[in-house]
Amino acid sequence: QKEVEQNSGPLSVPEGAIASLNCTYSDRVSQSFFWYRQYSGKSPELIMSIYSNGDKEDGRFTAQLNKASQYVSLLIRDSQPSDSATYLCAAYNAGNMLTFGGGTRLMVKP
Amino acid sequence: GAGVSQSPSNKVTEKGKDVELRCDPISGHTALYWYRQSLGQGLEFLIYFQGNSAPDKSGLPSDRFSAERTGGSVSTLTIQRTQQEDSAVYLCASSTGTASNQPQHFGDGTRLSIL
Repeated sequence: QKEVEQNSGPLSVPEGAIASLNCTYSDRVSQSFFWYRQYSGKSPELIMSIYSNGDKEDGRFTAQLNKASQYVSLLIRDSQPSDSATYLCAAYNAGNMLTFGGGTRLMVKP
Repeated sequence: GAGVSQSPSNKVTEKGKDVELRCDPISGHTALYWYRQSLGQGLEFLIYFQGNSAPDKSGLPSDRFSAERTGGSVSTLTIQRTQQEDSAVYLCASSTGTASNQPQHFGDGTRLSIL
C-alpha cells in the first residue's frame, strides 16, 4: 500500500463547476499536508497547506482534512480551463519525509 | 526573492557519459531534496540533505548516482555511466527545515535525455 494514494484520473469537469480531488494517507501520525499543482512539462507548485482538521479556504481553493478517516481533499470552485493540471497530494510521514501521491489529472472543459 | 535554481534546464548526452546537475536552493533553506520524475509518472525521491547532517541516500537507485552539498547551499547530483533509463526530469526542492510542517519549494528541473 502506498503511503499517499490518489486516483490518477483524469477527472473531467465543465467550466464553472466544482472540482473535487481526494487523497488518502496511511501513516496515522502525519500532521502536515500539502497540495501541489503541476502543469504539463512544469515543476510542482505549492497551492495549499493544511495542518488541522476541517476546512481551509484560499480564494477558489478549499482544502479539507479529516485525520480520523485519514483523507485530505481539495475543492476548486468555479473551475477554469487554466486549472487543468495534475494535482499532487503530499504528507509528512513518521520518518519526517514528505511523501507524494501519484497525482490526479484534472481536465476542465470550456 | 529568488526561488530554487537548477541548471542546466536541458541536458542531452550519450549513453555511458557522466552528467552533473546543479541545484541552488532558496537562500536560508537548510533542507534540500532531489527527486526524479519520468514521463507521466509521480515523483521518485532520491536524496535529501539537512544542514550539516549526513544525507539520507535511501532513494538513490544505484551506485552510479551520488550527490553532494557544499557549504550547506548548492548541491550537485552526479550520474556516472548514464543509461537510457536515467532519462527523466530531475527536480530539486528546498525547505526551511525538516520540521514536519514545512512545505518544499521546487525548481524548474533539469530534463535529462540519454541517447
